[in-house]
Amino acid sequence: DTGVSQDPRHKITKRGQNVTFRCDPISEHNRLYWYRQTLGQGPEFLTYFQNEAQLEKSRLLSDRFSAERPKGSFSTLEIQRTEQGDSAMYLCASSLEAVSNSPLHFGNGTRLTVT
Amino acid sequence: KQEVTQIPAALSVPEGENLVLNCSFTDSAIYNLQWFRQDPGKGLTSLLLIQSSQREQTSGRLNASLDKSSGRSTLYIAASQPGDSATYLCAVWGSGAGSYQLTFGKGTKLSVIP
Repeated sequence: DTGVSQDPRHKITKRGQNVTFRCDPISEHNRLYWYRQTLGQGPEFLTYFQNEAQLEKSRLLSDRFSAERPKGSFSTLEIQRTEQGDSAMYLCASSLEAVSNSPLHFGNGTRLTVT
Repeated sequence: KQEVTQIPAALSVPEGENLVLNCSFTDSAIYNLQWFRQDPGKGLTSLLLIQSSQREQTSGRLNASLDKSSGRSTLYIAASQPGDSATYLCAVWGSGAGSYQLTFGKGTKLSVIP
C-alpha cells in the first residue's frame, strides 16, 4: 500500500491558462474522489468515480472543470481558463467499495496558485 | 443540506493534558462519521471511522464517540503530546441525497505546548 499520490505538489499558473492534475489511488480501491480546500476551510466535494464511471459532480464543478478516470485507475482533473478564484488545494482520495465502513484515504494534494 | 460545525476553531493546551474536540451535524441521516488529522500543507490522515450503528471507536490515545440522534460527535485525546499539534477535521457520510460525498467541518486547530 503506497498510498494515494498526486502530481504535481505545487502549480503556479497565470490566469487564463489550462492546468491538469493527476491522482493515482491505492491500487485496489475502485472509488476515487476529488475535493477542493481553501485556507481555513474544510475540503469541499467536487466529483466522484466508481471505476471509470463519473457518478456524481458538485455544482462547484463549473464547465471549466473536467475530470476523467479512463481505465478505472488513475484520474486527471483539468481546469481550463483558470481564474484567481481557482487558487486552492486540490485533494484526491480513494476508498474501497462499501461506503459504510471504508475510510477515505487522501493524497497530499496539489496546491494551485493562479496569478 | 448537511452542515458540519466544529468547536472550538482553535485550542492551545500544555503537554500532558486530556482534551475534547467537538463536532455537530444538522442531518442525522448518516452512514458514518470520520475524524481526520491534517498537518500544515499536507493531505488528510484518517484517524477513526464510526459507523452509524456504533457509539464509539478507540485507537491508542484517541477515542471518538457518536450520538447520531443529537447530531454530535466528540474526539477525546488523552495525554496530549506536541506531535498531536495539527488541524482535526470531522466529516460525515450522508445516507440520502449526496450520499457519495463526505461533508466536512472547518476543523479545530490544536496546538500542544511543550
